[in-house]
Parts: sequence; structure tokens; C-alpha cells
Amino acid sequence: GENVEQHPSTLSVQEGDSAVIKCTYSDSASNYFPWYKQELGKRPQLIIDIRSNVGEKKDQRIAVTLNKTAKHFSLHITETQPEDSAVYFCAATDSWGKFQFGAGTQVVVTP
Amino acid sequence: DVKVTQSSRYLVKRTGEKVFLECVQDMDHENMFWYRQDPGLGLRLIYFSYDVKMKEKGDIPEGYSVSREKKERFSLILESASTNQTSMYLCASTTGLAGGGVTDTQYFGPGTRLTVL
Repeated sequence: GENVEQHPSTLSVQEGDSAVIKCTYSDSASNYFPWYKQELGKRPQLIIDIRSNVGEKKDQRIAVTLNKTAKHFSLHITETQPEDSAVYFCAATDSWGKFQFGAGTQVVVTP
Repeated sequence: DVKVTQSSRYLVKRTGEKVFLECVQDMDHENMFWYRQDPGLGLRLIYFSYDVKMKEKGDIPEGYSVSREKKERFSLILESASTNQTSMYLCASTTGLAGGGVTDTQYFGPGTRLTVL
């Protein structure tokens, strides 16, 4: 089955700097790669996603890149702000809709 | 706006009790999922369902069972609760056609924090 590894487990950045989180997956049949943000005490919420027919997607300060050959995808947050502090999860899934999540990255943005 | 609700936010049970966690979604989604979330382990899939009366084991089904009698409702059952089942339980739903369709994002419920004493 699918296995998703996520790094780093914690990430501390200065406000205004960029943050990058990387994930690798094992199943070449995976075709959908969402990223979720979970603030303390709240449910995970989708922040951006990418499908296997696209190499890069951007939404304001957030971007995701996908390298299908290498089976890895990354989340990039630019100009980080204190409200970006949260746990971020990557996931991979195939057309059957079974999601496999990474272990999560705790991002701390310090003023 | 998609709404996924769970029956309880906090639950305290004793070892050996039978525990029911319920999840309801209002968007006519075909797929529903139960995860448990533990620090450092991310979201681990317990069971999922593609349709009414259908269920599939996830990665950690031991000690759990599920029921899906109606499309909008997916229940997680702990037949005999144990202390190692103390965790945050998250339900999720998504549209998308199994076996070749286009997968869409998952929408999560608020979670149930279960403590087993």
C-alpha cells in the first residue's frame, strides 16, 4: 500500500522568511496530493492541492510542487506570518479515494 | 458549505465499555472515513466506506468496527474500550467515484477526544 513520509517534523521560522515541507510517496498510482493545515484544537482544513497532471500550483503565499518521477511533493509558504503557525499534513491518494497522510509538520513562526 | 459533524467533542469511558462514535455529513458524499490522530503519528486510517453497507479496513482496524446504514451516517464502534484507544478520533467525507473517478478533498469533522480510564 501507499506510504507517505513527511519532513521535517518541526520547523521554526522567523516571520517573513519562507518555509518548505517535503513529502515522499511510494505508490506510483497516487494521483491526488492535498495539503491540510490544522490549528490547535481545530479540524484539518485543506489549504492547497495538486493533481498528478500538474507540476506546480500557487495560491497567494502558498505553492505546491510535484515531481512524479521522484515521487515527491513539497509545500512552500512565503513571507510567513504568525497565523501560519500550525501543524501541516501532506497526503496522497489514488482514484479509489483512500488517503494516506504524512506524520505532520509543526510550524512555528516567531515574530 | 460542507458540514461534517460528530456526536461528541469529548468522551470519557471506562475500560471494557462499548463505545459508539457517530459522524454525519450533509453533502451526499459517497466516501466516509474514520481516523485516529496521535502526536507524532499523524492521521491513521481505521476504516472507510465507499457506500451504504460497505466497509473496508484501513491501516489500524484492530479493536474497532464500523456501521454505515445510511449514506450520511458512519459510526465507529469500540467493542470493548481499552486505555490504548485513548485518542482524538476524526471523521471525514469526500465525494469521488471509487475505482477510476476523480478524487476530491476530504472534509473533516471537529473530532472527538476519547479518554478511556
